[in-house]
Amino acid sequence: EAQVTQNPRYLITVTGKKLTVTCSQNMNHEYMSWYRQDPGLGLRQIYYSMNVEVTDKGDVPEGYKVSRKEKRNFPLILESPSPNQTSLYFCASSLLAETEAFFGQGTRLTVV
Amino acid sequence: GEDVEQSLFLSVREGDSSVINCTYTDSSSTYLYWYKQEPGAGLQLLTYIFSNMDMKQDQRLTVLLNKKDKHLSLRIADTQTGDSAIYFCAETPGTSYGKLTFGQGTILTVHP
Repeated sequence: EAQVTQNPRYLITVTGKKLTVTCSQNMNHEYMSWYRQDPGLGLRQIYYSMNVEVTDKGDVPEGYKVSRKEKRNFPLILESPSPNQTSLYFCASSLLAETEAFFGQGTRLTVV
Repeated sequence: GEDVEQSLFLSVREGDSSVINCTYTDSSSTYLYWYKQEPGAGLQLLTYIFSNMDMKQDQRLTVLLNKKDKHLSLRIADTQTGDSAIYFCAETPGTSYGKLTFGQGTILTVHP
């Protein structure tokens, strides 16, 4: 089954404790991206990747890092999480940049 | 930069048609999308339209694109209670491959 898998689905952490949210897709898609969803703001792009070892900043990259060492995986790293990073995070992938994106189920992160 | 706007709420009676509207600013948009998000779930692609099309119909869904006015709409015929969800309009900017810009989302409530 074609899918985008994120882990964990829920995470509560403390300020400053490094964490990684994993994202994996099994569709051999070149493009992957991370979004955060906050009430009344829709989804805002954090980072995206056009291929292995190629990543670019989205609209809200501050406080986040990503890596793309293999095609299928695109982890999101928060080196020093802060409470304003409490949000619902979605990973997405697409075959080409301009075709439809498939989304993971989301990761609800709470930073206290 | 790119901007996508939607009205926040829509309430309809079961069996009626729903029309969700969206406006965007990027005249170079290539693809425009409608996503559905049910409570506690990820985003599900409902339909999309390429920018050189005016209309696309898919069962109960009709997408209309007015490129001159940069206006996109989604019509759901015979709306059911299972259609209650948040609907997001999104576009792929012509100058930013790999990126999706989302509207704030429209909360559709269907009353029996």
